[in-house]
Amino acid sequence: DAGVIQSPRHEVTEMGQEVTLRCKPISGHDYLFWYRQTMMRGLELLIYFNNNVPIDDSGMPEDRFSAKMPNASFSTLKIQPSEPRDSAVYFCASSFQQINQPQHFGDGTRLSIL
Amino acid sequence: SQQGEEDPQALSIQEGENATMNCSYKTSINNLQWYRQNSGRGLVHLILIRSNEREKHSGRLRVTLDTSKKSSSLLITASRAADTASYFCAPFYTGGFKTIFGAGTRLFVKA
Repeated sequence: DAGVIQSPRHEVTEMGQEVTLRCKPISGHDYLFWYRQTMMRGLELLIYFNNNVPIDDSGMPEDRFSAKMPNASFSTLKIQPSEPRDSAVYFCASSFQQINQPQHFGDGTRLSIL
Repeated sequence: SQQGEEDPQALSIQEGENATMNCSYKTSINNLQWYRQNSGRGLVHLILIRSNEREKHSGRLRVTLDTSKKSSSLLITASRAADTASYFCAPFYTGGFKTIFGAGTRLFVKA
């Protein structure tokens, strides 16, 4: 089975532009997580979904960030407008059945905002 | 912060040596997980140890858990250059709703 698939792998854009990151979780997984990783702050949980429903978005830094999961096989993380401090690697992960089970990570999107 | 804290922050060893990484956490846990991250890649799950378990093995990996000390350790035996990566512990606290990742230990294995 294919793992978690994220696109694009790299994104470079100018400040103020809208950025959309995409994720396809592993088929059959019930939970989907969005993380952000930086040298300064480490790995931060932004939001997670259970059966396509957002459960906890307390990690979303600002209203400029939004996430959706329209169906079980697709999720997006959108930043509008983007700022240089949003530069980071964004990971999507999914897990099966329970929130405390192992998470399977994609290889991330490296985002650079100029 | 509720995240696990890994120690040391960085570790450099020769190929063939054993590598030990430690993790301390705050309160009672449901389970504790260890992950590896190679440069430029996502995290990969290594081992999950439940609160009622004391030791688990997977190949060259051995994880121990001491709930009285609120600590866990990851031992990699006979290390290889390919083990060079960052290693994260992630406790899931009792009554919690998310796994909390620590800052990680960066392991460098010299060939």
